[in-house]
Amino acid sequence: DAGVTQSPTHLIKTRGQQVTLRCSPKSGHDTVSWYQQALGQGPQFIFQYYEEEERQRGNFPDRFSGHQFPNYSSELNVNALLLGDSALYLCASSFTGLIGANVLTFGAGSRLTVL
Amino acid sequence: QQQVKQSPQSLIVQKGGISIINCAYENTAFDYFPWYQQFPGKGPALLIAIRPDVSEKKEGRFTISFNKSAKQFSLHIMDSQPGDSATYFCAASIGEYGNKLVFGAGTILRVKS
Repeated sequence: DAGVTQSPTHLIKTRGQQVTLRCSPKSGHDTVSWYQQALGQGPQFIFQYYEEEERQRGNFPDRFSGHQFPNYSSELNVNALLLGDSALYLCASSFTGLIGANVLTFGAGSRLTVL
Repeated sequence: QQQVKQSPQSLIVQKGGISIINCAYENTAFDYFPWYQQFPGKGPALLIAIRPDVSEKKEGRFTISFNKSAKQFSLHIMDSQPGDSATYFCAASIGEYGNKLVFGAGTILRVKS
């Protein structure tokens, strides 16, 4: 059973460019959350998608946007990249059911470097 | 009020010893407190979690102690092993869709053999 799959694993962009990161959730999961993890820091919540809609959002600017597809996979888009956007971007999936809604399964992340 | 403060930043423990990592929170609305383990190049993996209606939860060598009045919780790793060397994060969340986790800054644990 594949866990959470993220692509690409590494990428390098320059300031002002746009990037799209992709995530396939664990089989049976219907909810996708995205986190940003700066070097040496804990992950920070960006937003969460359920039923193809953004359900919750953290303190990130509108340059960060996302999408969830009917097959529950998700994309994270970041526009007008800044140096400070360099980080590991983690996707986490879960099942919004009666039990275990809090249990997240994380992917290995996409390492974004902005030059 | 949304912060979770974690200490220590790093920890070195001898094999067989007890590793203790502490976290403190301010928001009394938090109702779910997980600990995650992260190895280099991997995403965080859920280790153990607790809700505020219990004061302790044990799973194998891992124990969470929870003090609601002090707004603190801690992870104890008994009989620490070199394979436990990783970064540990405490976290907290609120409510029905509690996936919006607020993480601590992490503790780098090294177990010396």
